[in-house]
Amino acid sequence: EVQLVESGGGLVKPGGSLRLSCAASGFTFSSYSMNWVRQAPGKGLEWVSSISSSSSYIYYADSVKGRFTISRDNAKNSLYLQMNSLRAEDTAVYYCARVPRISRSHYFDYWGQGTLVTVSS
Amino acid sequence: QSALTQPRSVSGSPGQSVTISCTGTSSDVGGYNYVSWYQQHPGKAPKLMIYDVSKRPSGVPDRFSGSKSGNTASLTISGLQAEDEADYYCCSYAGSYTFRVFGGGTKLTVL
Repeated sequence: EVQLVESGGGLVKPGGSLRLSCAASGFTFSSYSMNWVRQAPGKGLEWVSSISSSSSYIYYADSVKGRFTISRDNAKNSLYLQMNSLRAEDTAVYYCARVPRISRSHYFDYWGQGTLVTVSS
Repeated sequence: QSALTQPRSVSGSPGQSVTISCTGTSSDVGGYNYVSWYQQHPGKAPKLMIYDVSKRPSGVPDRFSGSKSGNTASLTISGLQAEDEADYYCCSYAGSYTFRVFGGGTKLTVL
């Protein structure tokens, strides 16, 4: 069974940093592209970042470019999101999501349950 | 403001059909056949309902269907059931720079 479990969320002050993790199990993690998607309280989904299976291709939304860094450790079956210079508008539930192992896939077939990040003084 | 435009809400009675639209541009929805739809119940993670405009994952009822015309994609739910009441989001590939964009979401109410 595919499982994605996020952790690392919490309360942080504006300008602070936080590192999110996503532990994957039930599939060959190293073969799949992974993404972070966030959802501000009461708002819609926003794609944040994507990383290919071998970390060769990395993409960011303009809203986080230069502040967030996505990475992965295939040996540990883990996905990460390093978030720096956090702003109030980064407050959201952060989901990790898997992209299927099919050429030219651009959808998310499995999602974690999310971890809440609150940026407030 | 979301990149893709969806109606904020739609409603229908049990057994009826509803259609949710998702309007983008030729740089996203209109330019690629990579539109997906997600269902989200309150407090839950999103669930994939449709991918590549009109394909249905295993386990998703055939009451859910997707289509696209020009820059607008649509999700149609026929034979509405109470459990279909949820938020629905479209998502599209948007090229190698913007990459992926979501719609603002549509709240479906089953009357």
